[in-house]
Amino acid sequence: ETGVTQSPTHLIKTRGQQVTLRCSSQSGHNTVSWYQQALGQGPQFIFQYYREEENGRGNFPPRFSGLQFPNYSSELNVNALELDDSALYLCASRRDLNQQFFGPGTRLTVL
Amino acid sequence: SQQGEEDPQALSIQEGENATMNCSYKTSINNLQWYRQNSGRGLVHLILIRSNEREKHSGRLRVTLDTSKKSSSLLITASRAADTASYFCATDDRGSTLGRLYFGRGTQLTVWP
Repeated sequence: ETGVTQSPTHLIKTRGQQVTLRCSSQSGHNTVSWYQQALGQGPQFIFQYYREEENGRGNFPPRFSGLQFPNYSSELNVNALELDDSALYLCASRRDLNQQFFGPGTRLTVL
Repeated sequence: SQQGEEDPQALSIQEGENATMNCSYKTSINNLQWYRQNSGRGLVHLILIRSNEREKHSGRLRVTLDTSKKSSSLLITASRAADTASYFCATDDRGSTLGRLYFGRGTQLTVWP
């Protein structure tokens, strides 16, 4: 176990809806990253938060947004869901630039 | 495009055999990591090798890194059915302080009892 938890485990939404995914970081970790993993692909970097500020973003549109809270838990919000948003969403936490620890992921299905 | 690419895409072996997976990447790195993923679940960190290291061992795992060829290999010795999983290499970017990871598409390893 990595000490990183995610909720929910599975989620089904329809096109156009909005979704919020949650991540609870390992104690003492101040950095959280979110990744999207489509079926048969490797994880793709969405964005990263460091001390509650976004400090890096991958090639994802603005309808992907996030928050990091003072207790270093985090949310990933996706608006106007599209079919291609169906994927496993992974969060990873770490302290500064040390090793990242991944959570078990949230499987999102968009119908 | 993804920085790291694993080869082969799929590997099928018998228990007791060794499994070798390769990874190639494109830019200079600080370190390279290997992860394991069971059936679309979370990523489990296996081993990290720094750019100034050439070989590293952890139990049945042996990782090599050749920065001149921008390639790495993961060897699993005496494989077991429980080793069946997808294996990913992940690199960072030496030119960045962000620490984001770049993953390949992975190698699907199947170990038959």
